Amino acid sequence: DAGVIQSPRHEVTEMGQEVTLRCKPISGHNSLFWYRQTMMRGLELLIYFNNNVPIDDSGMPEDRFSAKMPNASFSTLKIQPSEPRDSAVYFCASSFQTSGGSYNEQFFGPGTRLTVL
Amino acid sequence: GESVGLHLPTLSVQEGDNSIINCAYSNSASDYFIWYKQESGKGPQFIIDIRSNMDKRQGQRVTVLLNKTVKHLSLQIAATQPGDSAVYFCAESNAGGTSYGKLTFGQGTILTVHP
Repeated sequence: DAGVIQSPRHEVTEMGQEVTLRCKPISGHNSLFWYRQTMMRGLELLIYFNNNVPIDDSGMPEDRFSAKMPNASFSTLKIQPSEPRDSAVYFCASSFQTSGGSYNEQFFGPGTRLTVL
Repeated sequence: GESVGLHLPTLSVQEGDNSIINCAYSNSASDYFIWYKQESGKGPQFIIDIRSNMDKRQGQRVTVLLNKTVKHLSLQIAATQPGDSAVYFCAESNAGGTSYGKLTFGQGTILTVHP
């Protein structure tokens, strides 16, 4: 298995531009998580999905952030318009939840390093 | 203005020594715990997990201890190697509830192994 796939790996953009980050979870996993990591705030959960449905988006910082999961194998995190303070590493992770609970680890992708100038 | 980052705990050890990394968790309802390792420029990588019905679990060179009474988790690494240098995160979850696998991560501990 290729693991969680994220693209692009690096993104440099100018303030005000739209940024779209992409994630392909591990095949068969039914939960998907978007995180942001910065030196200031550490690893923060932004939003997560179960069976393609958003469950909790309370970690999304502002309305400029949005996420979608149109199918089980693809998710996007969009920032529009982007600001310099959005500069961070964004991770996608996936896991498998059984009917008995979620006693399975999350598998993380390699991350997208976003720099907003 | 001056930026203030997280001040992560640090642990420095000599190659070959044993390392112990500690973590305090907050939610008494948490029943599943994971240790992750994050190397520079990479995503967090699973090391070992433990359910709340256990107090100890061993892997290859690693042992996780769970003390539910004081809500404390530790990771022991035997014969630490330079390749173990990384940031280590503990994470907790109410896996038996309706968390859908949501994890709450600690701030992390920086482990540096000197040859």
